[in-house]
Amino acid sequence: DVKVTQSSRYLVKRTGEKVFLECVQDMDHENMFWYRQDPGLGLRLIYFSYDVKMKEKGDIPEGYSVSREKKERFSLILESASTNQTSMYLCASMTGGSGTDTQYFGPGTRLTVL
Amino acid sequence: DAKTTQPTSMDCAEGRAANLPCNHSTISGNEYVYWYRQIHSQGPQYIIHGLKNNETNEMASLIITEDRKSSTLILPHATLRDTAVYYCIVRGKNTGNQFYFGTGTSLTVIP
Repeated sequence: DVKVTQSSRYLVKRTGEKVFLECVQDMDHENMFWYRQDPGLGLRLIYFSYDVKMKEKGDIPEGYSVSREKKERFSLILESASTNQTSMYLCASMTGGSGTDTQYFGPGTRLTVL
Repeated sequence: DAKTTQPTSMDCAEGRAANLPCNHSTISGNEYVYWYRQIHSQGPQYIIHGLKNNETNEMASLIITEDRKSSTLILPHATLRDTAVYYCIVRGKNTGNQFYFGTGTSLTVIP
């Protein structure tokens, strides 16, 4: 089975702190994704990466950056956390990029910024 | 990607079939229909996908209308563990690998 793990299930940070969310997948997938999920808004794509050191902005990249130094690991960085970044963060991975590929998600990190 | 429309919520009696509809009237010929579900406080889980033929796996069946403008996900014998939000997503082969999740249908299975 594909396994996508995230470093924390719950995280509490203060405004202005630098926050790192880590995601690791064990299936040698080329593509990795970071979403945030908020009530009434569904999942929104922040960033994705289709290869090591490659990244593309999603729909809401402002206030975030990412890092992919190794194929299995994709990090989301909040340079200076703000209260409006309180959310559920979901990481996903996917192979290839053809029309029939599926995304596999991690369990999520619920981040609270005070 | 084509936009999808799903009911906000549905109920289903335990043991009965749950039929979840999805409209995707602007779907184009090379776009697939995917279904995911998300149980509370977990990441979304892949269920099934199809192009134009009906599909079945161990979790569910997917029925796509002949004109492909709508589809139905069928859980043949719903259990309490099927209570979740179900997302219908339409995605083409050349869309930069993005899946666009809407707000889905919240299915409650009632004992």
